[in-house]
Amino acid sequence: DTGVSQNPRHKITKRGQNVTFRCDPISEHNRLYWYRQTLGQGPEFLTYFQNEAQLEKSRLLSDRFSAERPKGSFSTLEIQRTEQGDSAMYLCASSLGTGSNQPQHFGDGTRLSIL
Amino acid sequence: GENVEQHPSTLSVQEGDSAVIKCTYSDSASNYFPWYKQELGKGPQLIIDIRSNVGEKKDQRIAVTLNKTAKHFSLHITETQPEDSAVYFCAASKNTGGFKTIFGAGTRLFVKA
Repeated sequence: DTGVSQNPRHKITKRGQNVTFRCDPISEHNRLYWYRQTLGQGPEFLTYFQNEAQLEKSRLLSDRFSAERPKGSFSTLEIQRTEQGDSAMYLCASSLGTGSNQPQHFGDGTRLSIL
Repeated sequence: GENVEQHPSTLSVQEGDSAVIKCTYSDSASNYFPWYKQELGKGPQLIIDIRSNVGEKKDQRIAVTLNKTAKHFSLHITETQPEDSAVYFCAASKNTGGFKTIFGAGTRLFVKA
């Protein structure tokens, strides 16, 4: 399977704990995106990487959230001191990197539930 | 701010009928408009896209139209089948600001056999 891979698929944790999610993009894609999706809504943009550089961050991404893509391949999204409102599906997408918009290919997400 | 509105939120059609989903966008700099299909427990899957230099695009039973002046774009599915039942999202994107994609709230399509 050469699609976008996300792990874990589900994460249940207690409020206040830290969680980390991983995304492995399609191998030749140098752009990587994180989105958050709540029930009944479309995905909301969180952040964007071009290779290893984080070039754009949404105001939704509070200081409890941090994303990395250290070698320009896989990426991690960490949430510190989780809150009830963090419960959502976290989606990762990747695309080719050229000067214009390219189709983004999504993984199946990590569903986070905060108890 | 940037916004994409999508209608209807729910659409029920009989198998074989057509389904139309409409979206409007606010940012006139948007130049790329993908449509995604999302099934339960899965991530969004790209089904068709259109760029701002094109008014219409078709791929088998799916077509998209774009009216840049009115900032409207639509998805048309003909000869619907039960397997078309899913949530459909329209989206808009531009070449600046990290190519971030702004999604509509989704349309839940039911195709009745």
